[in-house]
Amino acid sequence: EPEVTQTPSHQVTQMGQEVILRCVPISNHLYFYWYRQILGQKVEFLVSFYNNEISEKSEIFDDQFSVERPDGSNFTLKIRSTKLEDSAMYFCASSVRAVEQYFGPGTRLTVT
Amino acid sequence: GENVEQHPSTLSVQEGDSAVIKCTYSDSASNYFPWYKQELGKGPQLIIDIRSNVGEKKDQRIAVTLNKTAKHFSLHITETQPEDSAVYFCAAQKNTGFQKLVFGTGTRLLVSP
Repeated sequence: EPEVTQTPSHQVTQMGQEVILRCVPISNHLYFYWYRQILGQKVEFLVSFYNNEISEKSEIFDDQFSVERPDGSNFTLKIRSTKLEDSAMYFCASSVRAVEQYFGPGTRLTVT
Repeated sequence: GENVEQHPSTLSVQEGDSAVIKCTYSDSASNYFPWYKQELGKGPQLIIDIRSNVGEKKDQRIAVTLNKTAKHFSLHITETQPEDSAVYFCAAQKNTGFQKLVFGTGTRLLVSP
């Protein structure tokens, strides 16, 4: 069964450093999303992406964040200058028709 | 914006009992309501969903009911098993394109043998 995959599973970085989180969505899916989950809290929407452009973003997704689909299979989230409060689990999700969203296993980002 | 409330935050049952988790949503434009199961260290797994034109949907031991008038939807798990232990999240989505999911706060279900 096709799955969303994410790398790395755990990323540790120092405050102010740039990080790139990578996702490989399910191959025939067209809609892509990033969510985050701070430890013990609910899953929060960051951004949605379709047809090579952002379709919606939350207040969390400020100028420090960017997304890209550099090729036909990868979908990346970049945080330019990480802050302590960026520490969270980051989930990529994809959908074939913007309804059922399938999530990856997540990347745990720890900012020290 | 949309807000989704979820109760209870924790639920302990004995194996074989039923479990019910309830959610309410605020935006009447929401019309798609999925439920996700999250096991420790894993991503949310879609287990069942319901659309606003349906009042109930069942898949083996799990079922979801929707009351659009009251803006309530619920997850029902019958004959619970220890492997049902996880955190369950409800979510709501508006059908205006590729809209975000708005999640509830989660319910930690513990099924004791």
